[in-house]
Amino acid sequence: EVQLVESGGGLGQPGRSLRLSCAVSGFNFDDYGMYWVRQVPGKGLEWVSGISWNSDKTVYADSVKGRFTISRDNAKNSLYLQMNSLRPEDTALYFCGKGKSSAYQSSIDWWGQGTLVTVSS
Amino acid sequence: EIVLTQSPGTLSLSPGERATLSCRASQNVISNFLAWYQQKPGQAPRLLIHGASSRATGIPDRFSGSGSGTHFTLTISRLEPEDFAVYYCQQYGGSPFTFGPGTKVDI
Repeated sequence: EVQLVESGGGLGQPGRSLRLSCAVSGFNFDDYGMYWVRQVPGKGLEWVSGISWNSDKTVYADSVKGRFTISRDNAKNSLYLQMNSLRPEDTALYFCGKGKSSAYQSSIDWWGQGTLVTVSS
Repeated sequence: EIVLTQSPGTLSLSPGERATLSCRASQNVISNFLAWYQQKPGQAPRLLIHGASSRATGIPDRFSGSGSGTHFTLTISRLEPEDFAVYYCQQYGGSPFTFGPGTKVDI
């Protein structure tokens, strides 16, 4: 069974950092691109970042470019999102998602349940 | 950045009726890399359609996707009670990948 479990959310102060993790199981992690998507409770989905199977391609939303870094460790079946220079508008539920293909250009066919990030002083 | 616009914002229908949801892109979506997702309250999104018209694994055939270029449509042929939810389109042809604002299908 495919499982994606996010962790690392919580309260972060403006200007500080948080690191999100996503532990996966049930599929060959290094065969697929991976993504982060966020959602302010009660609002729509916002695509945040994606990474190809071998990390050679990473892409970011304009709203997080230069502040967030996506990475993966295929040996540990884990995806990460390093969030620096946090802003109140980064407050959201962050979902980890599995791509349908190995490329960074893919739809998301499996999703975790999300980890909540709150940015406030 | 490709901006996606979904219409209508809310669609009020009854079980058994046909639902037609629209997604328009501000630029051509490369290779018709357009997906549709369903999201119910308190749940993660679920992939329904990828590549504009291919149903994802396990998705009932009452869901169908069509379109190309800048105009795409999700059709639910006969609404079941479990289909009342919010539906999002997403393009993954041009970075950054973007979602539409969603269409709520309610009773």
